[in-house]
Amino acid sequence: AQKVTQAQTEISVVEKEDVTLDCVYETRDTTYYLFWYKQPPSGELVFLIRRNSFDEQNEISGRYSWNFQKSTSSFNFTITASQVVDSAVYFCALYAGGTSYGKLTFGQGTILTVHP
Amino acid sequence: DVKVTQSSRYLVKRTGEKVFLECVQDMDHENMFWYRQDPGLGLRLIYFSYDVKMKEKGDIPEGYSVSREKKERFSLILESASTNQTSMYLCASNPPRVTKTQYFGPGTRLLVL
Repeated sequence: AQKVTQAQTEISVVEKEDVTLDCVYETRDTTYYLFWYKQPPSGELVFLIRRNSFDEQNEISGRYSWNFQKSTSSFNFTITASQVVDSAVYFCALYAGGTSYGKLTFGQGTILTVHP
Repeated sequence: DVKVTQSSRYLVKRTGEKVFLECVQDMDHENMFWYRQDPGLGLRLIYFSYDVKMKEKGDIPEGYSVSREKKERFSLILESASTNQTSMYLCASNPPRVTKTQYFGPGTRLLVL
């Protein structure tokens, strides 16, 4: 069975602070994909990144960076110099299982509030 | 750009009513999904479909059914709405075998009174 845990329910920061959102996953499969999605107040989930289990290279995209560590089964997401527009719910998700259907297991989500 | 649309952003229904939630995607994706989102529980999969007229139960199918008569359209049906089905409903789609990345619609906030 697959499981994703986002232990941080809510995080509140002041603009320009750095913030890290934690994600821990469980799977017995050796091939899997990890995702991060952003859900702004409008409601639509926006895809941010996908990582496969064979690629542990960290990724940076502008102010966003992701740290994938198989040894600790973690896929953490850092926002550098946060902005008010980063306020959203962030979800970590896992795909595993070898089917073509793409069923995802989601974490509980972390509500990030960035204050001006 | 992938476009997934849902028929309503907000819906208010009464207990016992039959409710239809419609989802349409324009990218010819084979796979489509219905989730519900509740605070503290994340997204939970209700049903998914990997082809026309094909469906599979997700993690919480009780009280729901689905219909997929055309590839681009996936409907979620609440046969007899109950107050515990008040939730945010999200539809998603993805192509098979490729990236596994799901693309989401804007969601429908359903209130059952």
